[in-house]
Amino acid sequence: NAGVTQTPKFRVLKTGQSMTLLCAQDMNHEYMYWYRQDPGMGLRLIHYSVGEGTTAKGEVPDGYNVSRLKKQNFLLGLESAAPSQTSVYFCASSKLLGGSYEQYFGPGTRLTVT
Amino acid sequence: AQTVTQSQPEMSVQEAETVTLSCTYDTSESDYYLFWYKQPPSRQMILVIRQEAYKQQNATENRFSVNFQKAAKSFSLKISDSQLGDAAMYFCAYIYGGSQGNLIFGKGTKLSVKP
Repeated sequence: NAGVTQTPKFRVLKTGQSMTLLCAQDMNHEYMYWYRQDPGMGLRLIHYSVGEGTTAKGEVPDGYNVSRLKKQNFLLGLESAAPSQTSVYFCASSKLLGGSYEQYFGPGTRLTVT
Repeated sequence: AQTVTQSQPEMSVQEAETVTLSCTYDTSESDYYLFWYKQPPSRQMILVIRQEAYKQQNATENRFSVNFQKAAKSFSLKISDSQLGDAAMYFCAYIYGGSQGNLIFGKGTKLSVKP
C-alpha cells in the first residue's frame, strides 16, 4: 500500500516550457487535491477533484490545469511555466465527506523555473 | 472568510521539555475540524493530531495534546517530553464540515529542539 505517490520528485524548467505532474493514490479515495507551498507560507490549494472526471478551482488556479481521467490519478499541468511557479507541489487525497476529513499527502515535487 | 493564524514563526525547546505552539482561526461555521500537521526536512506532511469542533474533550496522541478553546477560536498544540525528532515545521489547518475538502493552512511554526 503505497498511499499517495508523486512523479517526478524534482524538476527544473525553463520559462515557457510545459510539464505535467502526476499524482497517484491506491486508497480508493474520491477526493484529490493539488497544493503549492512557498517559503514562509502554508499550503495553498490550486485545484481539486471530488471524483473521476470532475475538477474545480482552488485558491490559486491561474497558470495550471488539471485532469482526473481515472479515480486513482490526478494530473497537474503547467502549459507555459513562469518563475512565479517555482514552488513545492503537494498532492493529497481523502475519503468522501462524512469521514474524518483527514487528507493524506504525497512526498511533494520541487519545481524550479528559471 | 476563514483564516488560520500561527503567530510564532519560530520556537525552540530543550530536549525532554514541554513546548506549546499557538494557532487561532476565524470562522462562522459551527461544524468544523482542526488539524496539526508536522513537516520534517523530508517535506512529508504528517498528521499529528485532529480535533472535531463538536467534541469538548481535547484530543491527545501520546506526547501530543491540544488545548481547544472553541469560544476563543484557539487551537494550541502541546508537545511533552520533546525529542530531537520533533524538530520540524508545524502547520495548523482547518476545514469545515460540508466543504469539498479545502484545508486552510496557517503559515507554520518552525520548531527547533536543543539537545
